Amino acid sequence: AQTVTQSQPEMSVQEAETVTLSCTYDTSESDYYLFWYKQPPSRQMILVIRQEAYKQQNATENRFSVNFQKAAKSFSLKISDSQLGDAAMYFCAYRRAQTSGSRLTFGEGTQLTVNP
Amino acid sequence: NAGVMQNPRHLVRRRGQEARLRCSPMKGHSHVYWYRQLPEEGLKFMVYLQKENIIDESGMPKERFSAEFPKEGPSILRIQQVVRGDSAAYFCASSPKDRGIGTEQYFGPGTRLTVT
Repeated sequence: AQTVTQSQPEMSVQEAETVTLSCTYDTSESDYYLFWYKQPPSRQMILVIRQEAYKQQNATENRFSVNFQKAAKSFSLKISDSQLGDAAMYFCAYRRAQTSGSRLTFGEGTQLTVNP
Repeated sequence: NAGVMQNPRHLVRRRGQEARLRCSPMKGHSHVYWYRQLPEEGLKFMVYLQKENIIDESGMPKERFSAEFPKEGPSILRIQQVVRGDSAAYFCASSPKDRGIGTEQYFGPGTRLTVT
């Protein structure tokens, strides 16, 4: 079974600085997707960024980028120029690529605090 | 295009009562997933449905829980004879197809169930 591990229950960063959230996963599959979701206090799950395992290039979305290390099964999220609105719980998630209707497997989350 | 709708947003039930949670997927989406988030934990998959079919219910507790996605109307997650351990946030997600690129799951705002 696939597992996703986020080893940092809490992280904090100063406004305008950069922070990296860690995620590792375990799978025997070769083709899969990885995601970072953000959950603010409203509890709405918001997709931040997606990475396809077959792509070597790391995904980027504005201030958000990932460091995808397939061999190490590592998928970290970097947030640049942190803003107060980035404060939230961040979840790393995994999904198999080829299976019909594959579920998302989530990590336990990292609570990010942004200090003004 | 309206997002995934869930209602009610908050639901309070006494032990032994029934809880019905509703999810209307995004327009054009025919794949629905239900996840449960216990306090201080990540989301856990419960069930995956397509119109009129349960495709994967491997994450659903064997007793008291059921789900449906009729041809017309929202998907329903039903919990019979609720117990305090059922208190959680229940999230619904939808996607336009079941495999390949573009199968991101878009989440609703969740229903917070409290069992007293």
